[in-house]
Amino acid sequence: NAGVTQTPKFRILKIGQSMTLQCTQDMNHNYMYWYRQDPGMGLKLIYYSVGAGITDKGEVPNGYNVSRSTTEDFPLRLELAAPSQTSVYFCASSPRTRGKQFFGPGTRLTVL
Amino acid sequence: ELKVEQNPLFLSMQEGKNYTIYCNYSTTSDRLYWYRQDPGKSLESLFVLLSNGAVKQEGRLMASLDTKARLSTLHITAAVHDLSATYFCAVDMYDGATNKLIFGTGTLLAVQP
Repeated sequence: NAGVTQTPKFRILKIGQSMTLQCTQDMNHNYMYWYRQDPGMGLKLIYYSVGAGITDKGEVPNGYNVSRSTTEDFPLRLELAAPSQTSVYFCASSPRTRGKQFFGPGTRLTVL
Repeated sequence: ELKVEQNPLFLSMQEGKNYTIYCNYSTTSDRLYWYRQDPGKSLESLFVLLSNGAVKQEGRLMASLDTKARLSTLHITAAVHDLSATYFCAVDMYDGATNKLIFGTGTLLAVQP
C-alpha cells in the first residue's frame, strides 16, 4: 500500500492564480481531511469528508473548495491564490470516525 | 472555541536528562493524540489516549491523559539525540457524528549530546 499520496510536493503560485492539490489514498478509508500548517504552528483543519459525495468545512475553509467524487480521491482547490495561503498542506485519511488519521507527505505552497 | 496550548514551545535538553511536555485544552474531550514531526516531514502518530487516566509508553516516551484537568503530558526519559523533533498534541472533538482534531502549536525538542 502506498498509503496517502499528495501531489505536487512543491509549488509556487502567483497571486490570483488557481491550482488543485491532489490527495489519493489506497486504504479504502471513508474519512479524509485537509489541513494547513503555517510556519511554527500546529495543523488547522480546512475541510473534511466522511465519504464520497459528502464534504464539510473545518476551522479555516475560506479561499478553498473541495470535492469527493470517489473514495480514493479528495482534491483541494485554491481559486484565487493569496499570500496568506502560503503554507504546507497535509491530507489525511481515517477508516472511521474517531479513528487514527494517516497523513500524507505534504505539499509546500508559496504564493508570491 | 477549543484552545489547545502546549508548553514549552521550545525545549533544549541534554542527552540522558528527563523532561515533560504539557498539553492543556479548554473544553471537554475524552480522546487525545500525540504526533511527532521531523523537519520537512509528515506527522507520525505516537499515541492515542482514549480515556481518563490512560497511560501509554513506547521506548523513552510516556504519555498520559487527565480529562478532568484537561491535561495531557508527554514524558521523556533519558533523552537521546534521535528524539529531536517537533511534538504535537491533538484533541479529538466529537459531536456524536463526526470528529475533528484540534492541534496544539507544537513543542520543538532539541536533544544536545
